[in-house]
Amino acid sequence: GESVGLHLPTLSVQEGDNSIINCAYSNSASDYFIWYKQESGKGPQFIIDIRSNMDKRQGQRVTVLLNKTVKHLSLQIAATQPGDSAVYFCAEKAGNQFYFGTGTSLTVIP
Amino acid sequence: DARVTQTPRHKVTEMGQEVTMRCQPILGHNTVFWYRQTMMQGLELLAYFRNRAPLDDSGMPKDRFSAEMPDATLATLKIQPSEPRDSAVYFCASGLGLVRETQYFGPGTRLLVL
Repeated sequence: GESVGLHLPTLSVQEGDNSIINCAYSNSASDYFIWYKQESGKGPQFIIDIRSNMDKRQGQRVTVLLNKTVKHLSLQIAATQPGDSAVYFCAEKAGNQFYFGTGTSLTVIP
Repeated sequence: DARVTQTPRHKVTEMGQEVTMRCQPILGHNTVFWYRQTMMQGLELLAYFRNRAPLDDSGMPKDRFSAEMPDATLATLKIQPSEPRDSAVYFCASGLGLVRETQYFGPGTRLLVL
């Protein structure tokens, strides 16, 4: 099967700092990518998405960067807040299939 | 505040029993997804529907799992017979499909098969 892997399983940042969560994907045919946030006991929550014809997309306090050359996706969170503490998943879509990474646990230190 | 609802939220059953999980997608959404999440495997797509028709169910064990959409407001995932390895959190998600591929997840059904 395809692999969507995260470089770091855990990440701790100080409140107010910027966070960067990375994701590697392996399928060159993937044309759509999504970042989700999952808090304990809840379902994943959409954060931001990007299509393969773009290399950057910005939302509110979040930015997704896509590097198709090295098949790398990153999520940047500006001014990280305690409410950002959660597990973050990247997902890729290739054809009709969605593949999810195992997640990175982000902890924000007050 | 539209959201995906799932029932039951928790289910404990014995091996061999039938389990039915239900999902009500957001009104107007035409795609429905079923996922399974475990610590070992992470989030796995089991099946999904577009306009109530199954689009892909290649991730679903066919011998014991079945997914249906009796109508646009109800999706079901059934396991018969259930096994301990089916213990997981099962998420339903809905979306607008071709209009926008964002998926909105429900709270999940936490299943424990003893």
